[in-house]
Amino acid sequence: DVKVTQSSRYLVKRTGEKVFLECVQDMDHENMFWYRQDPGLGLRLIYFSYDVKMKEKGDIPEGYSVSREKKERFSLILESASTNQTSMYLCASTRQGYNGYTFGSGTRLTVV
Amino acid sequence: GQNIDQPTEMTATEGAIVQINCTYQTSGFNGLFWYQQHAGEAPTFLSYNVLDGLEEKGRFSSFLSRSKGYSYLLLKELQMKDSASYLCAVRGAAGNKLTFGGGTRVLVKP
Repeated sequence: DVKVTQSSRYLVKRTGEKVFLECVQDMDHENMFWYRQDPGLGLRLIYFSYDVKMKEKGDIPEGYSVSREKKERFSLILESASTNQTSMYLCASTRQGYNGYTFGSGTRLTVV
Repeated sequence: GQNIDQPTEMTATEGAIVQINCTYQTSGFNGLFWYQQHAGEAPTFLSYNVLDGLEEKGRFSSFLSRSKGYSYLLLKELQMKDSASYLCAVRGAAGNKLTFGGGTRVLVKP
């Protein structure tokens, strides 16, 4: 079974801190995605990557950046955390041409 | 742009049938997905439709009409464990990027 692992289940950070959310998949998937999930708004795409060192903006990239130095790892970076970035963050991966995403368990980030 | 609509919440009785509708307006279409998400957990893949018609998988079926921009997920013989959120998602014309609706929370009562 494909596994997508997110490094932290719960995180509490202070406003202005730089925050790293890590995601690792173990099935050699080309495509990786970062979403945030908020009540009533569903999942919204922040950034995605189709290959190593490649990144593309999703629908809500402001305040975020990403890094994909290795195929299995896709990191989401909050340069200066703000309270409106309090959310559930979900990482997903899929191989090229495949139908479904595999999601990680999510990181619930609270910025205080 | 992409716009995907589904009801916020539905309630049904154990053993009954529930139909969750999803309408979409997207720039390009390359498949529609349904995911199940239990509270506090990751979404898990349920079904995929790219051609018009009904796809059946056990107690769950999904229907697609591309001309109407419409899909539904049918849950039969409801069980308590089916209480969850159900997410409708559309893949646009290019790449593997999915756009999700807001999700429908289904509550199954005894």
